[in-house]
Order: sequence, then structure tokens, then C-alpha cells
Amino acid sequence: DVKVTQSSRYLVKRTGEKVFLECVQDMDHENMFWYRQDPGLGLRLIYFSYDVKMKEKGDIPEGYSVSREKKERFSLILESASTNQTSMYLCASSSYSGQVQMEKLFFGSGTQLSVL
Amino acid sequence: AQSVAQPEDQVNVAEGNPLTVKCTYSVSGNPYLFWYVQYPNRGLQFLLKYITGDNLVKGSYGFEAEFNKSQTSFHLKKPSALVSDSALYFCAVREGGFKTIFGAGTRLFVKA
Repeated sequence: DVKVTQSSRYLVKRTGEKVFLECVQDMDHENMFWYRQDPGLGLRLIYFSYDVKMKEKGDIPEGYSVSREKKERFSLILESASTNQTSMYLCASSSYSGQVQMEKLFFGSGTQLSVL
Repeated sequence: AQSVAQPEDQVNVAEGNPLTVKCTYSVSGNPYLFWYVQYPNRGLQFLLKYITGDNLVKGSYGFEAEFNKSQTSFHLKKPSALVSDSALYFCAVREGGFKTIFGAGTRLFVKA
């Protein structure tokens, strides 16, 4: 069965800390995504990657960076965590079939990050 | 720019009654439309999608959705609600490329 695994379910960090959120997928998917989920705002795209070492900004990239050194792993980095980055972070992946726009997203269970 | 609106924060329905969760979209080209569901403490799960063809799309768990191009809507429906359908539902649109845009979500409560 398809699986997207996020390393932590809950994370508590202090303001100014550097935070790493890890995501691993076992489906050999080309595309990986990081979203944040906030009540009343739905999901907002932070960054995505369509290949190893490739990355593209989403709608809210400020304060974040990403790394994709291996196909199966996509990391989200908060360079200096701030309280407004307290949120649920969801990783997702999808495959490329030649008609990429048709493919559904597979999501991890999420990481609830609290920045104090 | 593409966008999705879910006009209801919450929908309440009695078990056994039909349910509808509303979604409208805005894109400049052909839309690719999706519904996802999120159960408590879980990630999102795919329910169904509309790409082209028949305007009535059937998906998982007995859900279906109707694409209406003139009203730019993609409402989620189920003929008979179950208590276990209680969850957070997201409508999403992809115009092309990689980006999927999500609505704010609608919380469905099904009362026994």
C-alpha cells in the first residue's frame, strides 16, 4: 500500500530554532509537496519538487526552505522558527504519468508544529 | 489565478439523510477537480476527481460529485449519510502543472 511518512506527529520548538521536518515516500513518486494547514484557511502550498534537487516555490514560501537530495525524501526547513509558523504541516506526493495534472495526491499524517 | 470556495464552514445532517457539501471554483482554463477527506488526526485521503467526460463522478465510500460548468461548481453528494462520514472535506482544483489549490474545508457532522 502507498505510504507517505512524516517523521514526527507532534513537535514543539522555541522561537529562533532551526527546524527540520522530514517526509519519506515509498511509491517512487517524482513529485513531492509541502503544505501547511490552518483552520479556516485550508491547505496552502509552501514548496514542491518535481525531481531530485529540483524545487519550486509555492504560494507561501517565506521563512521556509526545502531539500530533496534523494527521490524518496523531501525535507522542509524552518531557518528561524517564529510563532506564526505554528501549524499543521502536511507532506504529499504524486506520480508523473505524462498527464501530471490528472494525478491525485497522497498525503502523510501530518506534523503538528508548535513554536513557543 | 485559480481559486476554490467552500461556502459552508459546517454541514449538519441526520444519519440516513442525503448530504451535499458545496464547492465552487475559478480557473481560466479547463479545471481538474478533486475532493479529499480528512478524518481526525489523519492526513488527507483522496475521494474522487473530475478530469473530463461524464459530469457525475463516483468515488470512494459511496460519495459522488457533480460537475457543473455553467455554475462553476463541483458539489459533493451522498444519498444516505453515515455517522462515520463525519470528517473535514476539502475541495481542490488544479488548472495545469503541479499546483493543487485547496478550499478552506467544510466540516461535516452526521448525527445518529
